[in-house]
Formats: sequence, C-alpha cells, structure tokens
Amino acid sequence: EAGVTQFPSHSVIEKGQTVTLRCDPISGHDNLYWYRRVMGKEIKFLLHFVKESKQDESGMPNNRFLAERTGGTYSTLKVQPAELEDSGVYFCASSQAAYLNYGYTFGSGTRLTVV
Amino acid sequence: AQSVTQPDIHITVSEGASLELRCNYSYGATPYLFWYVQSPGQGLQLLLKYFSGDTLVQGIKGFEAEFKRSQSSFNLRKPSVHWSDAAEYFCASAGGTSYGKLTFGQGTILTVHP
Repeated sequence: EAGVTQFPSHSVIEKGQTVTLRCDPISGHDNLYWYRRVMGKEIKFLLHFVKESKQDESGMPNNRFLAERTGGTYSTLKVQPAELEDSGVYFCASSQAAYLNYGYTFGSGTRLTVV
Repeated sequence: AQSVTQPDIHITVSEGASLELRCNYSYGATPYLFWYVQSPGQGLQLLLKYFSGDTLVQGIKGFEAEFKRSQSSFNLRKPSVHWSDAAEYFCASAGGTSYGKLTFGQGTILTVHP
C-alpha cells in the first residue's frame, strides 16, 4: 500500500508570504495528524482530524495556521503570513483508528524555510 | 502534562558495539510508550511500542526496549549496531487525556563508526 505522502518535500519562502503544505494519508485512514519540529526542538503535535472534522487542534500555534481536510481525504496546512519562527519540518501521520495499537504511519515531512 | 526526556543529544558507537539510548517519561499513570527512528530523507518509522504486559518489548531491526516503572524509563537497546542504524531516534509517549496524541522527546542522533 502507498504510504503517507507529503509535498512539497522542501519549501523556501520569504517572510510574509503564504505557503500551503499537503498531506495525503493512507487510503482508508480516518485519522490524520500534523506535527512540527522546529530546529533544535522536539516534535510537537499540531492537530488531529477524524475524517473531515478537527478532533483536537490544541497544538496550533496561532491563527496564522489553518488546516483543512476536505472530504476526509487529503489535508492541507496553510501558513499565512509566514514568519521566521515557522521554519521547521512539518510531519503528517495517519492511522486507521485513534487507538494507538493500530500505530501511526508518518510521512517524510516538509522542510519549510522562511527567510 | 506529559513529558519525555532523551538525555543524550548525540551518541557515537562503533559498528558491532552494543547500544543503549535513554528515555525518561513523566506521567502519573502508565503511559503508552514508543520508539521511532528517522533516517535521512525518510519519515518516522515505528521501531516498537509498549502498552502493558511484558516489560521487555521486541521491535524491528533487532531493537528491544525495557519499561521500568520504578525509574520512569523506557530505554532502547541493540546488542550489535550496524552502520545502517545511523539515524535519529525518538522516544514518545501517549495516554490519558492526550489520547491519540504523541509527546516526543528531543531525539538522539546516532553516529556509527566503521
């Protein structure tokens, strides 16, 4: 089966611009998660979708970040306007159920650099 | 709130040597515990997980980890390291109200010398 796909793999944008990251989960996985790793820090949870609904968005840093999951399939994470501190690696993961014994499958991540 | 600490940012071992990566967690009850590995250009891959039961868990690629409640630890071990094990390793926990949400440690970069 195809894994979790994220694109772009790298993005370099200027401060103030908008960037949209995309995640395609494994087909049939209702749960989709976004995480972020800022340079030198730990990987941190951003939000969790169950199908098209936001189950938990407690990790979203501020209102410059907008996540959507139309139709319960792929998800996008938009940063508008981007700031320097948004630089980092953004990971997406999916699972069949929220039960952790099903396990997560992570994508390779999108490395975002804001200059 | 849960927290996970990986005390070692960078570890270097020789190929064939044994390996132990440390992980300490902070959580009131028994958490779910995980070890992930990220090789360059790859996503996070699950090595092993602990939910309950036998405190010594076996994972993929010859790794194992032992849950020690008294020490709040979940250290990852491998008896003989291969050059292909060079990667970054992450310990993570979940449980309680963070259901479905992972809390990660800072990561440990493993370098393997020939």
